Amino acid sequence: QKEVEQDPGPLSVPEGAIVSLNCTYSNSAFQYFMWYRQYSRKGPELLMYTYSSGNKEDGRFTAQVDKSSKYISLFIRDSQPSDSATYLCATIRSGYSTLTFGKGTMLLVSP
Amino acid sequence: SAVISQKPSRDICQRGTSLTIQCQVDSQVTMMFWYRQQPGQSLTLIATANQGSEATYESGFVIDKFPISRPNLTFSTLTVSNMSPEDSSIYLCSVGERVGNTEAFFGQGTRLTVV
Repeated sequence: QKEVEQDPGPLSVPEGAIVSLNCTYSNSAFQYFMWYRQYSRKGPELLMYTYSSGNKEDGRFTAQVDKSSKYISLFIRDSQPSDSATYLCATIRSGYSTLTFGKGTMLLVSP
Repeated sequence: SAVISQKPSRDICQRGTSLTIQCQVDSQVTMMFWYRQQPGQSLTLIATANQGSEATYESGFVIDKFPISRPNLTFSTLTVSNMSPEDSSIYLCSVGERVGNTEAFFGQGTRLTVV
């Protein structure tokens, strides 16, 4: 079993839709959870990170972590065509520097 | 945030040859990392580039195949040696923190095709 599982998609939605992107993980030692966005032919860029369980909101983006079920989510409200990209979830253990990534989910938002 | 310049952005190489990828950061950073991103696969850490000492390699990656240099706190190189088509991938440089690396930054990547 991979340490972080993520459905590769693609996920196609119309503009304005609410998007839900998800990951599951297996190692209960993971404490920090990140979401990266990667446009085609670009490097990943950090969207946001959360520590332990709970929600974190930044504009149209909300990250949610449920440690009891080992489930990570990213919600995008009012999705825009410019949100079309691959979204990578990542985790890290407290006190460490090594990130563990999911495979990424390709999101396509059509006008 | 750190600005990372990675060169070359892409290359097509003959099997059996080597390619050196450069990573330049606009500020001094403690940690520099090299990742590989293969189609349909997770971003995978190759090694941590340590300034002034040998790089720390992850399981499945060896120094003879992926020699790394880190001469100072703003620059690192990754060499992909004796290339085969299986080495075709995107290689990414990243900078971050030694502990709690929650805000890692990435270069734009080097897209390598081995023919």
